[in-house]
Amino acid sequence: NAGVTQTPKFQVLKTGQSMTLQCAQDMNHEYMSWYRQDPGMGLRLIHYSVGAGITDQGEVPNGYNVSRSTTEDFPLRLLSAAPSQTSVYFCASSPHETGAYGYTFGSGTRLTVV
Amino acid sequence: AQSVAQPEDQVNVAEGNPLTVKCTYSVSGNPYLFWYVQYPNRGLQFLLKYITGDNLVKGSYGFEAEFNKSQTSFHLKKPSALVSDSALYFCATRRGGRRALTFGSGTRLQVQP
Repeated sequence: NAGVTQTPKFQVLKTGQSMTLQCAQDMNHEYMSWYRQDPGMGLRLIHYSVGAGITDQGEVPNGYNVSRSTTEDFPLRLLSAAPSQTSVYFCASSPHETGAYGYTFGSGTRLTVV
Repeated sequence: AQSVAQPEDQVNVAEGNPLTVKCTYSVSGNPYLFWYVQYPNRGLQFLLKYITGDNLVKGSYGFEAEFNKSQTSFHLKKPSALVSDSALYFCATRRGGRRALTFGSGTRLQVQP
């Protein structure tokens, strides 16, 4: 089925470890973004991309890196995991950066940093 | 800064009764406003949007929302709630610079049988 695929679904990391959260979409969407969801805080934007080779920071970019080498993939890298990065991470894509056509979300990655 | 606020953490309603989930916005210029729903252990799903035009917007699953410019509100409504409507609902608007959405803190809707 067409959509946004996130892997892994669950991950436990030790403080200081690094890892990459994968996100892939097969809808040829130009726009992709990463959000983190924390209780009572809604979704906060980490990084976004308006096309291959173009990325920019969102509200809470510290501790995360992204790259966009293809239209389909938008991985999120945690450089040195910290307990404050314990969260649920969502990748979203859209045909247009304004979101006027709606975002399609992945099912999320639940990350725990111990 | 563009923002939305959801004043209620939780809304409880009996099945069959009308429901309202509240959202107010602070946006310069013409607002783009959205509602998304999140079921347990799932990503968010798009419900409806207001870009321009009629103030009453109809969306998925029988939901609708009313854009009120004078009250800067965009409340989500449904005439008759179902138990299966129980979920977390998010209001959203464009961020400044247009290149992303900013979300409210979410409202949990509980529909009791």
